[in-house]
Amino acid sequence: QSALTQPASVSGSPGQSITISCSGTSSDVGGYNYVSWYQQHPVKAPKLMIYEVSHRPSGVPARFSGSKSGNTASLTISGLQAEDEADYYCSSYTSSSTRVFGTGTKVTVL
Amino acid sequence: EMQLVESGGGLIQPGGSLRLSCAASGFTFNTYSMNWVRQAPGKGLEWISYISSSSGAIYYADSVKGRFTISRDNAKNLLYLQMNSLRDEDTAVYYCATSIRGIQLWRPMDVWGQGTTVTVS
Repeated sequence: QSALTQPASVSGSPGQSITISCSGTSSDVGGYNYVSWYQQHPVKAPKLMIYEVSHRPSGVPARFSGSKSGNTASLTISGLQAEDEADYYCSSYTSSSTRVFGTGTKVTVL
Repeated sequence: EMQLVESGGGLIQPGGSLRLSCAASGFTFNTYSMNWVRQAPGKGLEWISYISSSSGAIYYADSVKGRFTISRDNAKNLLYLQMNSLRDEDTAVYYCATSIRGIQLWRPMDVWGQGTTVTVS
């Protein structure tokens, strides 16, 4: 199972909006609404930010949103803040009864 | 508060074996499915295994299938990962994780441990 494809890095100024893409296939992202997004700060465990494409867990700021079109999922951060600087990973269930993560995206707040 | 604490990591030679443990507390362990996820130094996350609450369903990533075995002891609130035939590329931080939203494999992982480091060299 190959990793889902994400851009290596995305940057934005405080207050701006950025979008991170997560490209898969019809056997994973495109085939199921089981896409989740994780935030990871350096030397920390990952934190769930979005699940089932667009659902936000309690406590996650509303500026984080998720969507999906075809085989590509997206995470949007609206109103970027300094504390959003971190690595972000998408993840999907697959038709092989496995899970797969994305390659990861480093978000830099300029 | 739900808590997961991994242990058992260390330095091991290629070809060797190691068993990781994940101690669960703050929740009814035997009603939750569990996962192992790893992260090689400077690399991304890699899901490696899942076990259902009753151990009736177990899945592995191709990269570890046949070498790693996931298991659990619900009486002791412990999750295990037996790692055999270790390779350099198994060097990583290993996390255990679970979901509060259901027990199926596709459920998102809400609760994570702090990780334990395995170095194969």
